[in-house]
Amino acid sequence: EIVLTQSPGTLSLSPGERATLSCRASQSVSSSYLAWYQQKPGQAPRLLIYGASSRATGIPDRFSGSGSGTDFTLAISRLEPEDFAVYYCQQYDNLMYTFGQGTKLEIK
Amino acid sequence: QVQLVQSGAEVQKPGASVKVSCKASGYTFTGFHMHWVRQAPGQGLEWMGWIIPTSGDTNYAQKFQGRVTMARDTSISTAYMELSSLSSDDTAVYYCARFRAVAGTKYFDYWGQGTLVTVSS
Repeated sequence: EIVLTQSPGTLSLSPGERATLSCRASQSVSSSYLAWYQQKPGQAPRLLIYGASSRATGIPDRFSGSGSGTDFTLAISRLEPEDFAVYYCQQYDNLMYTFGQGTKLEIK
Repeated sequence: QVQLVQSGAEVQKPGASVKVSCKASGYTFTGFHMHWVRQAPGQGLEWMGWIIPTSGDTNYAQKFQGRVTMARDTSISTAYMELSSLSSDDTAVYYCARFRAVAGTKYFDYWGQGTLVTVSS
């Protein structure tokens, strides 16, 4: 089973700053199978990025994804107040899906 | 618009079973696999398995093999997830999620609102 490790666990930033979230896989993951989700308290996860770098419908262009192999990144160029949430990466391999443990993005 | 509406919160005793439903609308139910994901209080997301609405074929995460059953009723565009032999470790919010596979990519594009299952004596 591929394990996804996200870092940092918590990221404290101010609105307007740039956020960089990391997702590292225990073995190589196809970029096609790497996605990112945002979750706010009491809400279901929302798809942000699929295929490592493609934005989902309606996602602002301040969100971008990159990476390949075992290292993937979600960047938020200029934080808006509504961006403070928990972010999860997710991968598919050999009929199984796994999620990272999440990065909490909080207001500094 | 695509909507996945799940059944309401449940309280069950240890050893019992729970069945959660997920009613789909706004798209062709048989055109997309349905997955189930759970989230324990204050914890991350855990994938449980999927069902193919057309055939009823299923695939479960090894952790839940023997305890989970996923089913569907295509006449009412509804998927079901039943978990048996419940323990306090199964207290969680359970989500259904529509699976999308496009140009080689795989992801969950729509999610239900979640169903809280509490296991308590």
